Order: sequence, then structure tokens, then C-alpha cells
Amino acid sequence: AQSVTQPDIHITVSEGASLELRCNYSYGATPYLFWYVQSPGQGLQLLLKYFSGDTLVQGIKGFEAEFKRSQSSFNLRKPSVHWSDAAEYFCAVGYGGSQGNLIFGKGTKLSVKP
Amino acid sequence: EAGVVQSPRYKIIEKKQPVAFWCNPISGHNTLYWYLQNLGQGPELLIRYENEEAVDDSQLPKDRFSAERLKGVDSTLKIQPAELGDSAVYLCASSLGRVNTGELFFGEGSRLTVL
Repeated sequence: AQSVTQPDIHITVSEGASLELRCNYSYGATPYLFWYVQSPGQGLQLLLKYFSGDTLVQGIKGFEAEFKRSQSSFNLRKPSVHWSDAAEYFCAVGYGGSQGNLIFGKGTKLSVKP
Repeated sequence: EAGVVQSPRYKIIEKKQPVAFWCNPISGHNTLYWYLQNLGQGPELLIRYENEEAVDDSQLPKDRFSAERLKGVDSTLKIQPAELGDSAVYLCASSLGRVNTGELFFGEGSRLTVL
């Protein structure tokens, strides 16, 4: 069965420091992978997605993620975190022909220290 | 362009009462989803519509939950009767049909508290 694991429930980083959020997936076929961000009281917003091709994908707000098939991972990175990046981040894998059904991880809450 | 609109944003009810949530997707989006998000968890799919057809409702607890998408646009999710464990955020999302970018656009959610 498909599953997504985000091992870190809560991460705190200093403003200006680099960030890496981990995501591991379990899926039998070529995965469609996504990172979404959810600010408090808001819906989820897509940061970036991977369908095929270049395994390093760029997203909005300066985020990037790298797909590593050998490690079944799709980690999210940002070189310099801003206070406004404090939010909850969800990794998701798409399945089904429409890529419309997503399985989400439990999320990683990011706090940013001044 | 307007995003996905949900109402109400917040609802507090007593257990055993009914409740309904409404969702208006982005114009032109054929696919509509209802997700359940419990505190500290990621969203879980309840039901997916392609136009007015429910194509995946395997996770919808049909004894108390129902949904409809008349005319393939707006959708309503109903719970009757509500139980304490139904307290959660109910998210609606929409996307272009099968040939799409895979991006789901989410509303802000309806937060339900059952007392």
C-alpha cells in the first residue's frame, strides 16, 4: 500500500539558516510527489511537484526538492529560511491515473527563531 | 480568479446534531475532493468527484456521512448525526480533470467542533 513518512514532527531553525525536511514514500510504481505548505488557519498551497525528468525540482518561495529513487525520498530544502516560512509542511504522493488522489504524510511543523 | 470557497469556516454543534459544509470549487475545475484533517495529521481523502459522479468514496463513512455535487459544480458534505470524534477540519479541494498538472487547490477548510 502507498504511504508517506515524514519522520520529523517539529523542527526549529534560526532565521537565515538552511532547512531540510525529510520525506520517504512507499509506492509500487513511479511516484508523483508533492510538497504542500499550510499556514495556520489556511488551506494547503502547492510548493512544488515531481512527475518525471530532472530529479531536482524548483518551487515557489525559494524551495527545492530532490527525488532520490534509490532512497525512496523526496526531501524539501531551502538555503536560507525566512520568518514567514513558519508553517506546517506536508509531503504527498499521488496515485491513480489522474494523479488526483493524494496520500499525505502527517506533516512537519516548522518554527523559525529570530 | 477566486479560489476554492468553503463555508462555514467554523461550526460548533452538540453531538447527535446534523451539520453540513458547502464548497464552491474554482471555475472550470471538474474534479472536487473532500478531505478530513484531524489535529496533527495530514489530510485524508473522504470522497472525490469527477463532475457530478463520485468516483472514489471508499473512505467515506456512509452510515453518517453523505455528499452530493449536483450539476457538477458546488458540493455539500453532510454529517448526521455528528459524533465527538468528528471534530476536525474538513477541507475541500478542486483540480482540472484527468489531464492536469496534478495540483490540487484547497479551500481554507471548515473547522467542526462537536461537544
